[in-house]
Amino acid sequence: DGGITQSPKYLFRKEGQNVTLSCEQNLNHDAMYWYRQDPGQGLRLIYYSQIVNDFQKGDIAEGYSVSREKKESFPLTVTSAQKNPTAFYLCASSIERAGVNTGELFFGEGSRLTVL
Amino acid sequence: EDQVTQSPEALRLQEGESSSLNCSYTVSGLRGLFWYRQDPGKGPEFLFTLYSAGEEKEKERLKATLTKKESFLHITAPKPEDSATYLCAVQAQYNFNKFYFGSGTKLNVKP
Repeated sequence: DGGITQSPKYLFRKEGQNVTLSCEQNLNHDAMYWYRQDPGQGLRLIYYSQIVNDFQKGDIAEGYSVSREKKESFPLTVTSAQKNPTAFYLCASSIERAGVNTGELFFGEGSRLTVL
Repeated sequence: EDQVTQSPEALRLQEGESSSLNCSYTVSGLRGLFWYRQDPGKGPEFLFTLYSAGEEKEKERLKATLTKKESFLHITAPKPEDSATYLCAVQAQYNFNKFYFGSGTKLNVKP
């Protein structure tokens, strides 16, 4: 079945360490997104990518980095520069019809990062 | 400033007790308004897209409506399996990759 696979589901990090969250999709979608979800807040956009080898900063990109070397993969690195990284991270892709971004987001199951 | 506000934050209903969730929005040109359902520890699941005022969409016990300033998600005769957090998001005309999410309404339906 087509979908988005995020790994790991749970991750613990010590302060000062970089960690990378994996996001793989087999939906053949061009646009992919990383969101952060904190209790009581709406999802906030970290980065997005419309095509391979291109990505754009979202609203809260500081302390994060991404790459898009393959259409299927959009990994997110949480660097030591991110001051408050403990959160639930969601990867998504956007369904296109006739080449137009419909806005319907298909989400992965999420990765919960905890900083010890 | 573009933003989305959902109310109430939490809602407890008895099974069969119908109600509505509200999503108020301000955006510089609305392309679409989206409703998602999110179960605990999971990613959101797409429910509806609404594009213009007056539009309605239905799916089982859920009906979404849209005006120029807000959207409602009506839940008719809910069942315990409808318990979840419901998220609203708007997509801006000026950037199809910009979505503004509300903080959600946590619905709990008691049997």
